[in-house]
Amino acid sequence: GENVEQHPSTLSVQEGDSAVIKCTYSDSASNYFPWYKQELGKRPQLIIDIRSNVGEKKDQRIAVTLNKTAKHFSLHITETQPEDSAVYFCAASPRVGYSTLTFGKGTMLLVSP
Amino acid sequence: EPEVTQTPSHQVTQMGQEVILRCVPISNHLYFYWYRQILGQKVEFLVSFYNNEISEKSEIFDDQFSVERPDGSNFTLKIRSTKLEDSAMYFCASSEAMASGNIQYFGAGTRLSVL
Repeated sequence: GENVEQHPSTLSVQEGDSAVIKCTYSDSASNYFPWYKQELGKRPQLIIDIRSNVGEKKDQRIAVTLNKTAKHFSLHITETQPEDSAVYFCAASPRVGYSTLTFGKGTMLLVSP
Repeated sequence: EPEVTQTPSHQVTQMGQEVILRCVPISNHLYFYWYRQILGQKVEFLVSFYNNEISEKSEIFDDQFSVERPDGSNFTLKIRSTKLEDSAMYFCASSEAMASGNIQYFGAGTRLSVL
């Protein structure tokens, strides 16, 4: 089955810096890659997603890139703010017709003022 | 904004006891899921459910687990005889459609502690 690896497990940055979180996946048939943000004690919330027919997607300070050949995708957060502090999970979804999400282990992002 | 609701937020039980975790999916959603996250580990898929039957299940979802949609709004996960290793955060999610790429909305989770 699909395996998703996520790095780093913890990332500390200063406010205003950029943050990059990387994930790799194993199943070349995966075609949907969402990113979820989970603040302490709260539900995971989708922040951005990308499909396999797109190489990059941007939403304000957040962007995701996908390299299908290398089977990796990354989350980029620019101009980080303290409220960006949370755990971020990447996930991959298999072939069309199934919606099982396979998650990475998560990255705890700490943004210091 | 509609939300997936889970109750209770924390459930403590003795080993061997049955527990039922409850979820109210978003009202117009048709697909429902359960995931779990053991402390410090990945979020893992357990089961998906559509049209009153299981669509897919993982190896974790053995005979001790069952799911049910007892009425038009609730979606439950039952663990028949809990084990210590069942201690985890259990997340319910729902989506409008099953095709890959449809957004899954998560509940806040139920933390199950088996003593």
